[in-house]
Amino acid sequence: QVQLQQWGAGLLKPSETLSLTCAVSGRSFRPSGYYWSWIRQSPGRGLEWIGEIDHRGNTIYNPSLKFRVTVSVDTSNNQFSLKLISVTAADTAVYYCARGEGLWEPSVYWGHGHLVTVSS
Amino acid sequence: EIVLTQSPGTLSLSPGERAALSCRASQTVSGKLAWYQQKPGQSPRLLIYAASSRAINIPDRFSGSGSGTEFTLTISGLEPEDFAVYYCQQYGSSPKTFGQGTKVEIK
Repeated sequence: QVQLQQWGAGLLKPSETLSLTCAVSGRSFRPSGYYWSWIRQSPGRGLEWIGEIDHRGNTIYNPSLKFRVTVSVDTSNNQFSLKLISVTAADTAVYYCARGEGLWEPSVYWGHGHLVTVSS
Repeated sequence: EIVLTQSPGTLSLSPGERAALSCRASQTVSGKLAWYQQKPGQSPRLLIYAASSRAINIPDRFSGSGSGTEFTLTISGLEPEDFAVYYCQQYGSSPKTFGQGTKVEIK
């Protein structure tokens, strides 16, 4: 059974950088084919796909966020990470990490979610 | 960007009744349409992928249908644990997008 455990800062000030990490256990981070995603959810915007990465580091981002977001992978530690720069109150959301069976596949396994609040 | 519109916003039904949830896309979706269930305080759970295929361990009272721009999730005989919010998602083009959700509540 695949498990995703996520962590990071929960309270940020405007203009700071959001950093979250998701650790994968239960199955190897490989083989190739899986895509590791970040998705967020807020009352105002609903569920919003942020972007995803494969084990080689190939990424695809939501165009609405692509100038602020970086997703990276650390295969040696079975982890992947999200960085979002220059946050504002609009970035307040529950952030989920997830795994899909491929790039154009739905997310089967999800982390528990991590609330990030941006407030001065 | 493909916009997904779900209806109704809220569905009030009794246990045992049949639920039909709609998801309409602003453009043709290439069959890559999923449905998720979310309960309060929990992560979304994949129910249906490829419009009509049930995910692992999903009861057969959940079924998906549709193509093009019109999709439906049907729950035949609501169980108490089925009262939740349901989201559709298209994952065939970037950005992947979600509908705004349909809440199925106990009448």
